[in-house]
Amino acid sequence: QVQLVESGGGVVQPGRSLRLSCAASGFTFSSYSMHWVRQAPGKGLEWVAVITYDGSNRDYADSVKGRFTISRDNSKNTLYLQMNSLSAEDTAVYYCAKEEFACFASWGQGTLVTVSS
Amino acid sequence: EIVLTQSPGTLSLSPGERATLSCRASQSVSSNYLAWYHQKPGQAPRLLIYAASSRATGIPDRFSGSGSGTDFTLTISRLEPEDFAVYYCQQYGSSLWTFGQGTKVEIK
Repeated sequence: QVQLVESGGGVVQPGRSLRLSCAASGFTFSSYSMHWVRQAPGKGLEWVAVITYDGSNRDYADSVKGRFTISRDNSKNTLYLQMNSLSAEDTAVYYCAKEEFACFASWGQGTLVTVSS
Repeated sequence: EIVLTQSPGTLSLSPGERATLSCRASQSVSSNYLAWYHQKPGQAPRLLIYAASSRATGIPDRFSGSGSGTDFTLTISRLEPEDFAVYYCQQYGSSLWTFGQGTKVEIK
């Protein structure tokens, strides 16, 4: 079955960087667009970024554009999110998700990123 | 950017009752690109409905979706104890994905 396992979260100071990873298994990773979705504590869901199956196209939410970079390594079945210039507003659980039918068909368990001095 | 507004904010019902959740879009949404999820505390969201009315794999038939244009509805015909959760609608358009703010279905 589909399994998505995020890692790389933690506590980071404002202005610093962090890279999240998402290890995928149970499906042909290289055939699917993949996303990052985040959820601030006690808040709703916010889409962050998408990358197409082959990495040729990427899109970002305005709130992270220019600071975050989504990437993938299909040889390692792994999705990444490089987060730079972090601020308190980026504090959230970050989920990776597999796209099907323009929605998020499978989700990881999430990794918590806390931006605090 | 299309804004999704869900109502009500909280729905207080008893097990066995029918739940009707609304999702209204600020602009027309293709029915192919409207989905519903639920999320239980401490868990990741789970896809329930995609393309406005198609149930995702493993989702029981007490869940149904309907609607078109700017008005969409998720109906749970008879609430089971495990259905008490937060429900989100989501749309895709112009390379952007957006979510509604959520409806909490709580035990009355």
